[in-house]
Amino acid sequence: NFMLTQPHSVSESPGKTVTISCTRSSGSIASHYVQWYQQRPGSSPTVVIYEDNQRPSGISNRFSGSIDSSSNSASLTISGLRTEDEADYYCQSYDNNNHILFGRGTKLTVL
Amino acid sequence: EVQLVESGGGLVKPGGSLRLSCAASGFDFSTHAMTWVRQAPGKGLEWVSLITRTSNYIYYADSLKGRFTISRDNSKNSLFLQMTSLRVEDTAVYYCVRKTVVGNHLDFWGQGTLVTVSS
Repeated sequence: NFMLTQPHSVSESPGKTVTISCTRSSGSIASHYVQWYQQRPGSSPTVVIYEDNQRPSGISNRFSGSIDSSSNSASLTISGLRTEDEADYYCQSYDNNNHILFGRGTKLTVL
Repeated sequence: EVQLVESGGGLVKPGGSLRLSCAASGFDFSTHAMTWVRQAPGKGLEWVSLITRTSNYIYYADSLKGRFTISRDNSKNSLFLQMTSLRVEDTAVYYCVRKTVVGNHLDFWGQGTLVTVSS
């Protein structure tokens, strides 16, 4: 099976843009859609990006997603950072057996 | 309003069993695949199991080695997770999560129920 590798933590200042990567260890990143979930402290996760680059209704357009086949990775980009964006972010995909896989999560600090 | 309310968590000794329940409301439960996802204290998300709408297909994380059983009762809008041979490393918050009807993402999460496995 494959793994989804994320940076342990990232930090950036309010108003800036940050990108969180999610690298697939084997197999093509494009073979299964990638989702991104936000988990604020003490709360349940919520989806912020689905199917690589789709935003659910109610999610700010400051959130965007993409995949890059050359690096076999997906990325979540948050622009115009706000303190409320401070959270853990998880990428998620599927394997060929319909098993769900999560990355280990990235802690975003907005300082 | 969509609601997923988990129950059944608690303290159990290693080797023991526990049955988690998830009561769904505010949507047509029978049209959604459902999953359990867990999160150990201070750790990341770990997928546990998925069951399709009519229970035709059921999937488990390989790491569970047959100790857990997922089921559902569409007539009662309920999802279940029977956990046996519990280990200390099964200690986690267990989330009941809805899979979107069209697409691949998990679009609604319950608040979770804490399972603590300790002697």
